[in-house]
Amino acid sequence: ETGVTQSPTHLIKTRGQQVTLRCSSQSGHNTVSWYQQALGQGPQFIFQYYREEENGRGNFPPRFSGLQFPNYSSELNVNALELDDSALYLCASSSYRGGNTEAFFGQGTRLTVV
Amino acid sequence: AQSVAQPEDQVNVAEGNPLTVKCTYSVSGNPYLFWYVQYPNRGLQFLLKYITGDNLVKGSYGFEAEFNKSQTSFHLKKPSALVSDSALYFCAVRAYSSASKIIFGSGTRLSIRP
Repeated sequence: ETGVTQSPTHLIKTRGQQVTLRCSSQSGHNTVSWYQQALGQGPQFIFQYYREEENGRGNFPPRFSGLQFPNYSSELNVNALELDDSALYLCASSSYRGGNTEAFFGQGTRLTVV
Repeated sequence: AQSVAQPEDQVNVAEGNPLTVKCTYSVSGNPYLFWYVQYPNRGLQFLLKYITGDNLVKGSYGFEAEFNKSQTSFHLKKPSALVSDSALYFCAVRAYSSASKIIFGSGTRLSIRP
């Protein structure tokens, strides 16, 4: 098991609502990345936070936003939920914002939008 | 642009036989390459990485991967498959120039029959 924890594990929301997902990074890691994994697909990069600043963003609209706190934990916020936002959301932490370091993943939050 | 291709949706192997899961990549400059495994309803677990040096990389659970620069491939291998190896495997790449983003393939489901 990695030291990355995500909450909640499952969530059901209604279209148009807002949701906040949380992630605690592994001890000693200062970088958190978020990924969306739709059913039957590989994870898609949403964005990364390094030292509380956004450090790269994938092809996701602005209603996907995030935060990183001084203890390096992070939140992913999604506004105006759409049915297509239903997916497994994965948080990954690493000790550096890029380069040759691997990322360690949490168990994910399964979001269902109805 | 970075991309990863896993040409096989599913690979079926008998227990005790060698296995190969294929991956090819496209990236500008030197790639950092990774393999992850995902068990049902779980996050991704890191298996191994290639950064530089020896083209044959050894990882967790007896897996290894061979980097081939001319063929832009990074195939995952194991000499003798176990039933417990059955899972979803993802190849991933990070470009040296794109510090934050890891791009994942679509995944290959490995099924080991007793």
